[in-house]
Amino acid sequence: DAKTTQPTSMDCAEGRAANLPCNHSTISGNEYVYWYRQIHSQGPQYIIHGLKNNETNEMASLIITEDRKSSTLILPHATLRDTAVYYCIVRAPSSIHGSSNTGKLIFGQGTTLQVKP
Amino acid sequence: KAGVTQTPRYLIKTRGQQVTLSCSPISGHRSVSWYQQTPGQGLQFLFEYFSETQRNKGNFPGRFSGRQFSNSRSEMNVSTLELGDSALYLCASTLGATNEKLFFGSGTQLSVL
Repeated sequence: DAKTTQPTSMDCAEGRAANLPCNHSTISGNEYVYWYRQIHSQGPQYIIHGLKNNETNEMASLIITEDRKSSTLILPHATLRDTAVYYCIVRAPSSIHGSSNTGKLIFGQGTTLQVKP
Repeated sequence: KAGVTQTPRYLIKTRGQQVTLSCSPISGHRSVSWYQQTPGQGLQFLFEYFSETQRNKGNFPGRFSGRQFSNSRSEMNVSTLELGDSALYLCASTLGATNEKLFFGSGTQLSVL
């Protein structure tokens, strides 16, 4: 079962920041928080991941609370093309030698973000 | 750099038949994972191959199988198709190292009639 809880759906106005919350209250100390999104009829796309520090890349920012029990994905200036299902995933680290979970992600139901003009 | 390529894009089969789906990972990637996506169950992990060896398997019946070739290309096979096997089958590749992000293909949409 997924270890995260996300709202089923959210709306955001085009050009505004989209803030997508995720609860992961049972996260272990060595588990990372990953975000992927899936645009209709495409495969999921990696967005960002982090352990405990806030992270930023060209797509988004990830804010993880100090107790690590929740996080927020921020799309700073949402566009219509950001309309998608966003998945928050908690995942243990893996190693290249003998690891059994490098390619395994446990997806929940995600949040459907609708960006409106 | 080419992305993950899955063929065919669409497939229609009838109950009882078998099907083989193909996945070509990103060049240099050694790990290939397969997922099934349905409206009811969402995205579910099927199995992962690394250097031609299956190293993890999800909770699916034995009718679902796969393999990986020396060039890292992978195939998955579903035998004795059932109506419930209708789904989008997604393949993802990664180098196989610690905390690598997965790169997904666009999937094969399988319809079982």
